Amino acid sequence: EAGVTQFPSHSVIEKGQTVTLRCDPISGHDNLYWYRRVMGKEIKFLLHFVKESKQDESGMPNNRFLAERTGGTYSTLKVQPAELEDSGVYFCASSPAGFGEQYFGPGTRLTVT
Amino acid sequence: GENVEQHPSTLSVQEGDSAVIKCTYSDSASNYFPWYKQELGKGPQLIIDIRSNVGEKKDQRIAVTLNKTAKHFSLHITETQPEDSAVYFCAARSPPGGSYIPTFGRGTSLIVHP
Repeated sequence: EAGVTQFPSHSVIEKGQTVTLRCDPISGHDNLYWYRRVMGKEIKFLLHFVKESKQDESGMPNNRFLAERTGGTYSTLKVQPAELEDSGVYFCASSPAGFGEQYFGPGTRLTVT
Repeated sequence: GENVEQHPSTLSVQEGDSAVIKCTYSDSASNYFPWYKQELGKGPQLIIDIRSNVGEKKDQRIAVTLNKTAKHFSLHITETQPEDSAVYFCAARSPPGGSYIPTFGRGTSLIVHP
């Protein structure tokens, strides 16, 4: 069974530019989560989808971040316009319906210069 | 909200030694405590977890202990091997109805020297 995949693995953009991160969860997993880890700090929750609906987006830093999950399959996280403080590793995780174990993807390392 | 403190940030041991990573949490409602291992180039992977009705859990060379009164929990790795080298994260989570999203510690970089 394929795990959670994320694309790209690395992205380097300039301040003010736009970047879109993609996450493909494990097939059949209703729950999809986005997290971010700034270097040396904790993994912080950004938002949670149940199928295509946003269940909890309390961790989204501001309105420069937009997440979508059309059709309840893959999800995208767009940052527009990117700021220096957006740099970090963005993880996606998925889990089956309910509150089961979350399976993490390898992450996208975003560097804003 | 929940706050999880994790120590140490870096831990260097010789192969065969034991390693201990400690975490404290603030929310007494938290009842689920997973530990994740993140190897280079990969995402965090659940390695062991413990629920608040249990004081200790063991799986081969790894064990977790939980002290609910003191609100701290620890990961113990015995007979460490080079492949144990990774970043380890502790987390705490409240039951459904509260916040079901885990709150993570800052991670511990474990280095096992051959």
